[in-house]
Amino acid sequence: AQSVTQLDSQVPVFEEAPVELRCNYSSSVSVYLFWYVQYPNQGLQLLLKYLSGSTLVKGINGFEAEFNKSQTSFHLRKPSVHISDTAEYFCAVSGLSGGSYIPTFGRGTSLIVHP
Amino acid sequence: NAGVTQTPKFQVLKTGQSMTLQCAQDMNHEYMSWYRQDPGMGLRLIHYSVGAGITDQGEVPNGYNVSRSTTEDFPLRLLSAAPSQTSVYFCASSYDASGYYEQYFGPGTRLTVT
Repeated sequence: AQSVTQLDSQVPVFEEAPVELRCNYSSSVSVYLFWYVQYPNQGLQLLLKYLSGSTLVKGINGFEAEFNKSQTSFHLRKPSVHISDTAEYFCAVSGLSGGSYIPTFGRGTSLIVHP
Repeated sequence: NAGVTQTPKFQVLKTGQSMTLQCAQDMNHEYMSWYRQDPGMGLRLIHYSVGAGITDQGEVPNGYNVSRSTTEDFPLRLLSAAPSQTSVYFCASSYDASGYYEQYFGPGTRLTVT
């Protein structure tokens, strides 16, 4: 069975500072990896995804993530955060598990950007 | 495109009442799913469907029913509401069930059971 671990439940950071949100997964097969963002009182929307090819993936709003197969990680980074980046971030993995590719979500990381 | 729509946005139920949460998508997506979101628990899959007429259970299916008579609609029924079902419910859709495509989420339904 596949699983996703988001190592930090909450990450406080000051505006314009860099940030990294950590995600590790376990799966015995090739996977597709996603990061979603959820702004307050809204549904989730896609930030970026890794399907194959280059391990560095760029997404919307200046975010990027790096796929590391040996460490089974897919950490999300942004070099300089804004107040508007305050949101909940979810890592998700799709890999063959029990005969299907139903995605598994992590528990989320709350990014809190302080002025 | 309206994307994924959910109704109602808010609902308060008494214990034992039943209700249906509506979900519709206009993207001709084959795969649809229902999640509940609780503090500290992330998103937990309730039921999913890989196409019209095909549904299956997710991680937390007890107390919920689904059906998929059309590609567009995927309603979630609470049979006899319990306080433990107080949560925010999200419907999502994806092009297919290959896992290759991202999911599109609705705005959510906030349900309180008293």
